[in-house]
Amino acid sequence: SAVISQKPSRDICQRGTSLTIQCQVDSQVTMMFWYRQQPGQSLTLIATANQGSEATYESGFVIDKFPISRPNLTFSTLTVSNMSPEDSSIYLCSARRNDEQYFGPGTRLTVT
Amino acid sequence: GQNIDQPTEMTATEGAIVQINCTYQTSGFNGLFWYQQHAGEAPTFLSYNVLDGLEEKGRFSSFLSRSKGYSYLLLKELQMKDSASYLCAVRDNQGGKLIFGQGTELSVKP
Repeated sequence: SAVISQKPSRDICQRGTSLTIQCQVDSQVTMMFWYRQQPGQSLTLIATANQGSEATYESGFVIDKFPISRPNLTFSTLTVSNMSPEDSSIYLCSARRNDEQYFGPGTRLTVT
Repeated sequence: GQNIDQPTEMTATEGAIVQINCTYQTSGFNGLFWYQQHAGEAPTFLSYNVLDGLEEKGRFSSFLSRSKGYSYLLLKELQMKDSASYLCAVRDNQGGKLIFGQGTELSVKP
C-alpha cells in the first residue's frame, strides 16, 4: 500500500483568500490525483497531477481556480484560489501505485 | 458518457451476509474498485477487479462481469464496524482516472 499524508488536515478561511494543500506520498507513485468530496456526497475528480507538466483538469474545474503542482514523483500541491463558501468541502489527494489506488486523509476546508 | 449506479443505502444484521451491487456504463474500462469509507475518514481500498470472476479477501469478496457491466461486493459475517459507505469506482482506459459512484451507506444492526 501507499502511505499518503496531507497538510493541513483542516482549515477555516475567509472568502476571497487562497489555501494551498500539500500531499506527500511515502514512495514513488506513477500517478497522483486530487478529488473533492462535498458533505454526504461521493468523490469528484478535480484533476490529474502530472509530474513536470500542467495538470489535466476535469470538466467544470479550471487551472485559475485550482492550480496544481507536482514537482516530483512523491509530492503535489493543490491551491484553492479566491475562495467562496461553495468551496467548502473535503479535498483528497490520491496516488496510484501499480494497479492499486490509495487516498490521503483529506483536508477539510470551511470558507466563511 | 460515464454512469455508475449503486443503491443509496442498505441495512443488514450483524453476522449476516450482504451484497452491494454496482452497475456501470463507461466509455472505457480498465478495472473496477471498491472502497470503504467511514464517516469523517478517507476511503480505504478494498478490492480491484479487472478480469471477470470472483476475488476473495477474508470476509470481503468482489465479483466482476465485464460483459454485463456489473460488479458486487459481498460482505460475510457482518460486524458492527462494517457500518460505512461503500464506494464503487471504475478506472477508465484514458489516463487511468477513477470515476466514482454515489456510494452505498450500509448500516449493520445488532
